[in-house]
Amino acid sequence: DAGITQSPRHKVTETGTPVTLRCHQTENHRYMYWYRQDPGHGLRLIHYSYGVKDTDKGEVSDGYSVSRSKTEDFLLTLESATSSQTSVYFCAISVGQGNTEAFFGQGTRLTVV
Amino acid sequence: KNEVEQSPQNLTAQEGEFITINCSYSVGISALHWLQQHPGGGIVSLFMLSSGKKKHGRLIATINIQEKHSSLHITASHPRDSAVYICAVRESGGGADGLTFGKGTHLIIQP
Repeated sequence: DAGITQSPRHKVTETGTPVTLRCHQTENHRYMYWYRQDPGHGLRLIHYSYGVKDTDKGEVSDGYSVSRSKTEDFLLTLESATSSQTSVYFCAISVGQGNTEAFFGQGTRLTVV
Repeated sequence: KNEVEQSPQNLTAQEGEFITINCSYSVGISALHWLQQHPGGGIVSLFMLSSGKKKHGRLIATINIQEKHSSLHITASHPRDSAVYICAVRESGGGADGLTFGKGTHLIIQP
């Protein structure tokens, strides 16, 4: 699992509340990603980071922000959660030559009620 | 943006059968991944391919770069192979900007 830990693993929150998901890695990898997985859509990229304080938007970034103040932590924040953000969120890293290897965290199941 | 298509979407087979899952993509890639996800579970990378063929135990993955197509084969299938299998690609020159995923193939192997 390349030392990737997501927290929390499960969360239920109310519409309109802020939520932060954490991805922690232990091996100093440069590239980190947040994806969401929804039935009928597969996995889609939310945001990614290519270094400390270097982040960029993915395909479905609206309603999400990220921060990476340390190499090992990549945080995903829902500023004001909506029911459409109910999903399973996966953190991933890419490693190796050409960043072709991929490793995923165990996922966070978020329910917005 | 790469379009990644998998077939079939759902597959039910009997234990021992030979299984094939297909993946096609639309734009040149630097790497293709086959991923496995058990119900309620995390995602595990089975193979990363940039050309040719790889084998690991009962699993075989092939890729044809010219035809933009890859297949995942499972020989002597077993109920523990029941999972969702996901194809994902990294575009050529894509740098850091993540993978594009197929929607997955839901495989059930019945005893």
